[in-house]
Amino acid sequence: DAGVTQSPTHLIKTRGQHVTLRCSPISGHKSVSWYQQVLGQGPQFIFQYYEKEERGRGNFPDRFSARQFPNYSSELNVNALLLGDSALYLCASSLVSGSYEQYFGPGTRLTVT
Amino acid sequence: GESVGLHLPTLSVQEGDNSIINCAYSNSASDYFIWYKQESGKGPQFIIDIRSNMDKRQGKRVTVLLNKTVKHLSLQIAATQPGDSAVYFCAENISPSGYSTLTFGKGTMLLVSP
Repeated sequence: DAGVTQSPTHLIKTRGQHVTLRCSPISGHKSVSWYQQVLGQGPQFIFQYYEKEERGRGNFPDRFSARQFPNYSSELNVNALLLGDSALYLCASSLVSGSYEQYFGPGTRLTVT
Repeated sequence: GESVGLHLPTLSVQEGDNSIINCAYSNSASDYFIWYKQESGKGPQFIIDIRSNMDKRQGKRVTVLLNKTVKHLSLQIAATQPGDSAVYFCAENISPSGYSTLTFGKGTMLLVSP
């Protein structure tokens, strides 16, 4: 069975640029959550989407946005990149929005220079 | 892959020993607690969970204990193996307004020597 997939695996961007990260959930899962994991810390919640609608948002600036498509895949967009945005971005999928059982993908390592 | 364990508390054990990893949580409204294992270059992997109305749950070689009085969670790994070496995170689940969000602890790096 295919798990959660994310692309790209690694990415290097320059300050001020924007980036789009992609996630495909486990087949049958309708909810996708995004987390940011800075080196040496636990993941921090950014967004949750369910049935193409935003269901929850963490404490992140408006430079961060996301969307979910009809096939339940999702994109995370970050504008005006800062050095502090360098992190591992994790996508997690779950069957429904209210389920705590979230399955994580391998993440996208973003480096901002 | 790049290590996720930079500057994390570290627990070093010998193969075959039992390991205990501790975690303090903050929110009394959390309804589930989950332990994740994260190996270098990978995403967190689910190990075991416990509902807030329980105080102990056992899995294969792992046991989770929950003490709500002091807001403390522990993960016990029996007969630790080199493959158990990883960073371990506890996470608490809160479900405001019908959606689920996980809040992760700081993590503990477990190093198992053969």
